[in-house]
Order: sequence, then C-alpha cells, then structure tokens
Amino acid sequence: AQSVTQPDIHITVSEGASLELRCNYSYGATPYLFWYVQSPGQGLQLLLKYFSGDTLVQGIKGFEAEFKRSQSSFNLRKPSVHWSDAAEYFCAVGHYSGGSNYKLTFGKGTLLTVNP
Amino acid sequence: GAVVSQHPSWVICKSGTSVKIECRSLDFQATTMFWYRQFPKQSLMLMATSNEGSKATYEQGVEKDKFLINHASLTLSTLTVTSAHPEDSSFYICSASVSTRGDTQYFGPGTRLTVL
Repeated sequence: AQSVTQPDIHITVSEGASLELRCNYSYGATPYLFWYVQSPGQGLQLLLKYFSGDTLVQGIKGFEAEFKRSQSSFNLRKPSVHWSDAAEYFCAVGHYSGGSNYKLTFGKGTLLTVNP
Repeated sequence: GAVVSQHPSWVICKSGTSVKIECRSLDFQATTMFWYRQFPKQSLMLMATSNEGSKATYEQGVEKDKFLINHASLTLSTLTVTSAHPEDSSFYICSASVSTRGDTQYFGPGTRLTVL
C-alpha cells in the first residue's frame, strides 16, 4: 500500500537559516510527488511537484525538492527561511488506485516554526 | 488562477441535523473534485472522488449514505453531512482538478464543522 512518512512533526529554525523537511514514500511504481503548504485558515497551496525528468525540482517561494529513487525520498529545501514560511508542510504521493481512480496520499505534515 | 472556494468556512450545528458544504472552482472548470477530511494534528484523508455528472466514488470506510456528494456542474460540488453527530466534527477540505487524472489538485480553504 502507498504511504508517506514525514519523520519530523515539528521543526524550529531561525530566520535566515537553511531548511530541509524530510519525506519518504512507499510506492511500487514511479510516483507523482508533491509538496503542499497549509497556513492557518487557508487551503493547501502547491509548492512543487515531480512527475518525471530532472530529479531536482524548483518550486514557488524559493523552495526546491530532490527526488532520490534509491532512498525513496523527496526532501524539501530552502536556503534561507523567512518568517512568512511558518506553516504546516505536507508531502504527498499521487497514484492510481482500483483502476482509473487517482488519489493523493498525504504524510502527517511537519509544522515549521520560524524564530526571529 | 486556479482558485477554489468553500462555503461556509465554519459551521456549528446540533446533533441530528444535516449540513451542506459547497465547493466551487472560481476560474476553471473542474472535471474532478475531491473531498478530504482532516483531524487535528493529522493528515488529510480522502473521503471521495467525484466527476461531473457521475456518482461519487467513496473510499473504503466512508459511509456514502452519511456523506452525500453531488457534482452537478463543472464548477460546483457539494458535500452534505446527514444526521450529523459530534464524531463528524472535523475540518473538511475539497480540491478540484482540471483533468480526470487529478494529478494537480487545487485546494479550497476548508470548512470547520462542529456538531454539538
């Protein structure tokens, strides 16, 4: 069965510091991988996605993620965090289930706190 | 672009009553819409997938008679929680996709349901 693991429930970083959020997935075929960000009172916003091709993916707001098949990982990185990046981050894998039904399976999320 | 709205943003109801939540794609036509449920400190769990003009496909364990989904047009899907009970209290989130593949989903801001 498909699954997504985000090992870190809560991460605190100082503003200006670098950030890496971990994501590991379990899926038999080549996955579609996503990172979403959820701010309080707002819906999930897509940061970036990987379908195929270059394994280093650039997203919005200065984020990037690298797909490593050998490690079943899709970690999210940002070189310098801004206070506005404080939010909950979700990694997700897209896959087909039961034939043609497409679905997203989400990790439990990582809450990012940014200290001034 | 790709904005999804939900109404209401929060609702409080008495046990035994029914509540309808609307999900609208504001600037695109959504072939497929998805409904998720999010518990506190938990991930998003897919409840059902609906294609315009078709019956919704429910995930295992989701009561289709309790959570009625209608996708009557390419811009509107509704979720009705029938005979709501306190255990139905949760954060309900919809998403919309322009393709039946659903590979890129745009999320609404969510609806907080509290059943007294």
